[in-house]
Amino acid sequence: GQQLNQSPQSMFIQEGEDVSMNCTSSSIFNTWLWYKQEPGEGPVLLIALYKAGELTSNGRLTAQFGITRKDSFLNISASIPSDVGIYFCAGQARNAGNMLTFGGGTRLMVKP
Amino acid sequence: DAGVIQSPRHEVTEMGQEVTLRCKPISGHDYLFWYRQTMMRGLELLIYFNNNVPIDDSGMPEDRFSAKMPNASFSTLKIQPSEPRDSAVYFCASRTSGLQSYNEQFFGPGTRLTVL
Repeated sequence: GQQLNQSPQSMFIQEGEDVSMNCTSSSIFNTWLWYKQEPGEGPVLLIALYKAGELTSNGRLTAQFGITRKDSFLNISASIPSDVGIYFCAGQARNAGNMLTFGGGTRLMVKP
Repeated sequence: DAGVIQSPRHEVTEMGQEVTLRCKPISGHDYLFWYRQTMMRGLELLIYFNNNVPIDDSGMPEDRFSAKMPNASFSTLKIQPSEPRDSAVYFCASRTSGLQSYNEQFFGPGTRLTVL
């Protein structure tokens, strides 16, 4: 089946720093989604990407759908303590029907 | 608008007991997904429904797990008998099949299951 490699697994940064994380796949994806999960809650959708090369922003968050359709990036600018959580990428592969494949998550910790 | 609703939020039970988890999808969504999340395996899809019909249950671990969707606003995931290795957080998610944003799944808050 499809595999999504998400990196880094964890990041510990200073408040105000920018953050970058990415997901790569061996398969072509039609959709990339980025979720954030806070302790004790379900994943919350942050950004959805549907076209290769697409660059979409949501406040301080920016995500891109890689031109090869096999990767995606999420950047967070000027991090703040409430950015703490686990960020997941998810993708729908071309032959995966209605199912999403999830990355392993990036645990973000922000030091005030 | 209410999001996906799950109950209970926490469940502690003893090995061998039956456990039933409940989910109410977002109104108007015609797809419903059940996931399990553990530290070791991350988020795993167990089963999903379209228009109340199970479409793919290949992720269901074994016969002890069963899921039903008797109507468009309610689904259950049952484990009988439960085992300690079933301890995890179980999420329900739903989405629409509309042309816009059709792949975006919306998750409930999860049920944290502990089997002693």
